[in-house]
Amino acid sequence: GEDVEQSLFLSVREGDSSVINCTYTDSSSTYLYWYKQEPGAGLQLLTYIFSNMDMKQDQRLTVLLNKKDKHLSLRIADTQTGDSAIYFCAESRSSASKIIFGSGTRLSIRP
Amino acid sequence: GAGVSQSPSNKVTEKGKDVELRCDPISGHTALYWYRQRLGQGLEFLIYFQGNSAPDKSGLPSDRFSAERTGESVSTLTIQRTQQEDSAVYLCASSPSGTSGPSYEQYFGPGTRLTVT
Repeated sequence: GEDVEQSLFLSVREGDSSVINCTYTDSSSTYLYWYKQEPGAGLQLLTYIFSNMDMKQDQRLTVLLNKKDKHLSLRIADTQTGDSAIYFCAESRSSASKIIFGSGTRLSIRP
Repeated sequence: GAGVSQSPSNKVTEKGKDVELRCDPISGHTALYWYRQRLGQGLEFLIYFQGNSAPDKSGLPSDRFSAERTGESVSTLTIQRTQQEDSAVYLCASSPSGTSGPSYEQYFGPGTRLTVT
């Protein structure tokens, strides 16, 4: 079956790096995503990685994929108060199939 | 409009009534998805439409739930004989075909908050 799991909460100090972890079970996953949901706002695709990649960097965001362990992580460098949100890990088998989401990790920033 | 729109934004209904939720995808997007998000939980896939292909209904929780889409436009999600456990935010998303943009990028609407009393 398809399942995506992630921890529910993460608290980091402003300026530190945040690392949000996710595990998935579907070995046929081809696309892995990170979505961001801010309070009162809709879901927004933050970044994605193909399963044939190990790492992807986009400004302050770094995505690491360990396909053998089915482990995905999102690192946010120099975390700011504006990064406070719920971060959802998700996967799909192809670009034209359903996306399975995790339960979300609520990131809170402390001064 | 520029994005995915959903209506109504909020719906309060009595247990046992039927409700209909509407989604207007981004023009030209061939794929359309419905998800349910219960309070404090992640997104639960419900149904997926891709062009003229048969929809993937594997996520619909019961036969009280159904959805339709006319061509590549509006979709409606219908919940019959609503129950209190149906209370959630219902999110719609659309994505392009792959020829006009990355098909893996889903654009989400603001959702319809359904409360069953």
